[in-house]
Amino acid sequence: AQSVTQLDSHVSVSEGTPVLLRCNYSSSYSPSLFWYVQHPNKGLQLLLKYTSAATLVKGINGFEAEFKKSETSFHLTKPSAHMSDAAEYFCVVSDSGGYQKVTFGTGTKLQVIP
Amino acid sequence: EAGVAQSPRYKIIEKRQSVAFWCNPISGHATLYWYQQILGQGPKLLIQFQNNGVVDDSQLPKDRFSAERLKGVDSTLKIQPAKLEDSAVYLCASSSGWGTEQFFGPGTRLTVL
Repeated sequence: AQSVTQLDSHVSVSEGTPVLLRCNYSSSYSPSLFWYVQHPNKGLQLLLKYTSAATLVKGINGFEAEFKKSETSFHLTKPSAHMSDAAEYFCVVSDSGGYQKVTFGTGTKLQVIP
Repeated sequence: EAGVAQSPRYKIIEKRQSVAFWCNPISGHATLYWYQQILGQGPKLLIQFQNNGVVDDSQLPKDRFSAERLKGVDSTLKIQPAKLEDSAVYLCASSSGWGTEQFFGPGTRLTVL
């Protein structure tokens, strides 16, 4: 069985300060992990993905995430928030096992204060 | 490269009516997903196809929802009869395989009155 937990439903940061969105997962197999972003009234867009290569993954718009197997975590970070980063972020896990099931987290809404 | 196409974009129906949504994935993508996203929540996977076979439909309410992917290309999701709680955005996505990016369509916003 697999699951994904996004530890914060809302995160608020000031523009120019670091962003940390937390994600923990469980998986019976070696997982693939993704972060997607959804801006208001827009479609879901891939930010970055981990598929058993380098544990530090760089994505678009300055975001990155680190896969930590010992902590079963895949937290999303950005050194300096921009107003355009305000959106909802989803952590996603996909098992490498037979059915390759996909599970979305419940989402973290990021607010950026000017 | 054309993206994932969905139609209609919006649909308003009365409860107990039927509705169908259509999805055309990116050409060559073997895996197709249907998600339900209720306002304020994350997408919930309803069904996942690999070519024209069902990989996972554990969260599909099979008493009222059905989906098919004939010929392993486009897909239809049907609700019959609709309930108020089915009001949501229905998202279709496709990918070329495990561990690859899912590409999402614009979604169909369903309102059940």
